[in-house]
Amino acid sequence: AQRVTQPEKLLSVFKGAPVELKCNYSYSGSPELFWYVQYSRQRLQLLLRHISRESIKGFTADLNKGETSFHLKKPFAQEEDSAMYYCALRGDTGGFKTIFGAGTRLFVKA
Amino acid sequence: EAGVAQSPRYKIIEKRQSVAFWCNPISGHATLYWYQQILGQGPKLLIQFQNNGVVDDSQLPKDRFSAERLKGVDSTLKIQPAKLEDSAVYLCASSLDTGLSGNTIYFGEGSWLTVV
Repeated sequence: AQRVTQPEKLLSVFKGAPVELKCNYSYSGSPELFWYVQYSRQRLQLLLRHISRESIKGFTADLNKGETSFHLKKPFAQEEDSAMYYCALRGDTGGFKTIFGAGTRLFVKA
Repeated sequence: EAGVAQSPRYKIIEKRQSVAFWCNPISGHATLYWYQQILGQGPKLLIQFQNNGVVDDSQLPKDRFSAERLKGVDSTLKIQPAKLEDSAVYLCASSLDTGLSGNTIYFGEGSWLTVV
């Protein structure tokens, strides 16, 4: 069964501090992992995907298959990073369905 | 390009009434999703279509929820009869599913349902 766990509902940091949003998953095959973000009054949108191995808005995420994790990191948080962040997993079989974690609200304080 | 369109944006109904939501995905997108998002929770997949066929509806409460995607384009999600616990945002989304970035899901703004 597919499962995505985001252990923190809320993460509050000061501007300029490092940020790490945790994501752990459970899946027996080779999934594709994503981070989606929802800014205030905007629709849910893709932030980054593990296969791209890119940095978006200063955020990076590395897929660790041994620890089944896909944590999102940024070295210096900005106030505009305040948003809801969702980790998502797309399976590689059985319909290729995409499921989401419960989300973490990031609040960056001035 | 135009995004995923949903209507109505807001709906308030009494329990045991029925409601229908409509979704128009991004042109050319093969896969269409309906997610239910209850306040404080992440999106929960209700049903996933590939063109006009269902690939997953394991989380759809089939005694009261139904969905169809006629001609592999637009989709409707219906709830009949509604219960209080159906109060949620219903998110429609679509993805291309071909090419390097084809698995990116594009979301609509959501249809907010309140059952009283």
